[in-house]
Amino acid sequence: EAAVTQSPRSKVAVTGGKVTLSCHQTNNHDYMYWYRQDTGHGLRLIHYSYVADSTEKGDIPDGYKASRPSQENFSLILELASLSQTAVYFCASSLSGNTLYFGEGSRLIVV
Amino acid sequence: AQSVTQPDARVTVSEGASLQLRCKYSSSVTPYLFWYVQYPRQGLQLLLKYYSGDPVVQGVNGFEAEFSKSNSSFHLRKASVHWSDSAVYFCAVTQGGSAKLIFGEGTKLTVSS
Repeated sequence: EAAVTQSPRSKVAVTGGKVTLSCHQTNNHDYMYWYRQDTGHGLRLIHYSYVADSTEKGDIPDGYKASRPSQENFSLILELASLSQTAVYFCASSLSGNTLYFGEGSRLIVV
Repeated sequence: AQSVTQPDARVTVSEGASLQLRCKYSSSVTPYLFWYVQYPRQGLQLLLKYYSGDPVVQGVNGFEAEFSKSNSSFHLRKASVHWSDSAVYFCAVTQGGSAKLIFGEGTKLTVSS
């Protein structure tokens, strides 16, 4: 069954540490996305990619890097984690850039 | 720039009652519009989408939405809600050809028995 899987599902990180969130999709989709969700807020786009080895900045890219080594995999990297990056992060994939299919989320707590 | 506004952060309805969740969008061209639902501790799932044509679109689980260009709205409706419909509902917009989907802040629906 086609799916978007994220790892880890939950993580506690220390301020200033490096965090990598991974996403793997079996949908054979070209587009992949990273969104963050804060309590009581909608989703905000961090980075996205429409082809392997290329990434694009979303609406809130500061403090985040992204990597798309293959069509199936898309990582979000926090080089120096900060308290303000505590949130739930969602990965999604899309065939045409319209209908998105989401993973179950990665809950990150920075202490 | 595109934007989406969901004016109601929380809505409570009784089981069996009808439902309308409001969504207003801003777009310079005719947008593509979506409603997603998020159940507790899960990712978002697509309920329905509108690209063009009939302004009333049908979705899963008895949901429908109506596109209104004159009102810049895309309201979600259901004739009779069930307790299992309790969730957070997100309206989203994009322009055709754009890969960037912009989400509203969501409406938390509570269905009371």
